[in-house]
Amino acid sequence: SQKIEQNSEALNIQEGKTATLTCNYTNYSPAYLQWYRQDPGRGPVFLLLIRENEKEKRKERLKVTFDTTLKQSLFHITASQPADSATYLCALYNQAGTALIFGKGTTLSVSS
Amino acid sequence: NAGVTQTPKFQVLKTGQSMTLQCAQDMNHEYMSWYRQDPGMGLRLIHYSVGAGITDQGEVPNGYNVSRSTTEDFPLRLLSAAPSQTSVYFCASSTRVGRRGTNEKLFFGSGTQLSVL
Repeated sequence: SQKIEQNSEALNIQEGKTATLTCNYTNYSPAYLQWYRQDPGRGPVFLLLIRENEKEKRKERLKVTFDTTLKQSLFHITASQPADSATYLCALYNQAGTALIFGKGTTLSVSS
Repeated sequence: NAGVTQTPKFQVLKTGQSMTLQCAQDMNHEYMSWYRQDPGMGLRLIHYSVGAGITDQGEVPNGYNVSRSTTEDFPLRLLSAAPSQTSVYFCASSTRVGRRGTNEKLFFGSGTQLSVL
């Protein structure tokens, strides 16, 4: 079955720096990979989707890369701010397209 | 639009009690699902539905029942609560999930925090 790993449970960085979060997957070749943000006490909120034929996708200060050879996606937040502090989850669908499988998440803390 | 609405927000049960977690969406989404989120375990899929009258099991279905009589509602039933079911439960919905190569994003509710003593 598909497996997703986010190899850092927590990441602490200083304001203004670039945060880089990693998502690795096995046993599957997804056509798309998604990233979500979750704040304490709230449900996850969709941020970005990247297709397998897209090397990179940007949205404001966010950048996502997708390397299907390495089976890895990197999520970057440039010029990070304390308001970026949250848990970030990567996710991909199973082969049947019936279930979105999530990584365990990386909790980002940005200090001023 | 309210989006995905979950009730109650908090609930405390005694072992063996039953209850229903409610989920409603007003976006006319075909797909609805229930996840539980536990520390160190991430989000795990309990049950899902690709349309009214159709439900299926996810990764951790034991101890939970679901039904989908309308497009809008997808209640989750705990028939006999156990301490292992202490968790935060999220309902999520989307359009047209259930085909290979799908890319639909999920819309989540705000969650129900359940404690079973």
